[in-house]
Amino acid sequence: RKEVEQDPGPFNVPEGATVAFNCTYSNSASQSFFWYRQDCRKEPKLLMSVYSSGNEDGRFTAQLNRASQYISLLIRDSKLSDSATYLCVVKLNGGATNKLIFGTGTLLAVQP
Amino acid sequence: GAGVSQTPSNKVTEKGKYVELRCDPISGHTALYWYRQSLGQGPEFLIYFQGTGAADDSGLPNDRFFAVRPEGSVSTLKIQRTERGDSAVYLCASSPDANYGYTFGSGTRLTVV
Repeated sequence: RKEVEQDPGPFNVPEGATVAFNCTYSNSASQSFFWYRQDCRKEPKLLMSVYSSGNEDGRFTAQLNRASQYISLLIRDSKLSDSATYLCVVKLNGGATNKLIFGTGTLLAVQP
Repeated sequence: GAGVSQTPSNKVTEKGKYVELRCDPISGHTALYWYRQSLGQGPEFLIYFQGTGAADDSGLPNDRFFAVRPEGSVSTLKIQRTERGDSAVYLCASSPDANYGYTFGSGTRLTVV
């Protein structure tokens, strides 16, 4: 079983739609959670951190359920420029282990 | 520099050859990470440096892979006896210390033919 699992998509949605991505992680020792965005043939870039209380950044809302080991990302009013791969990421902190574990990514294509 | 710099941006090599990939992190960043990303996959952890030492090398796939960071700044990932399965984008990232988010470089696309 992969440490971080995501639906690879693609998600094809019209402009203005609301779309949600889900992710599960297997290691209960995971302490930090993120969503990264990766454009085609580019490096991943941090989109937002995910907090237990849920957090919002403009059109983007991230939520974490530690009990279920589940992370979500909601994008409202999708724009063409939102088309990218969205990577769910967990971090194991402490000691010598300080690495990010990435999911395979979910591809979003926003259609005009 | 302003960002993480990786060279070369593209490398084509023949099976069995030795390659070196270079990463120049953001100035002052003590933590440096190497990842490998194959087509359709997320980045896969290889090794993490804190300063000059490799704090976690558990992701290196086998002993053909080795990385160094002798002065705590620039790092080199070395691959011996390359195989076609080594073809991937090799990403480097740095952060001010282990508790901060990463900044990735644009990667080196390695193709073994």
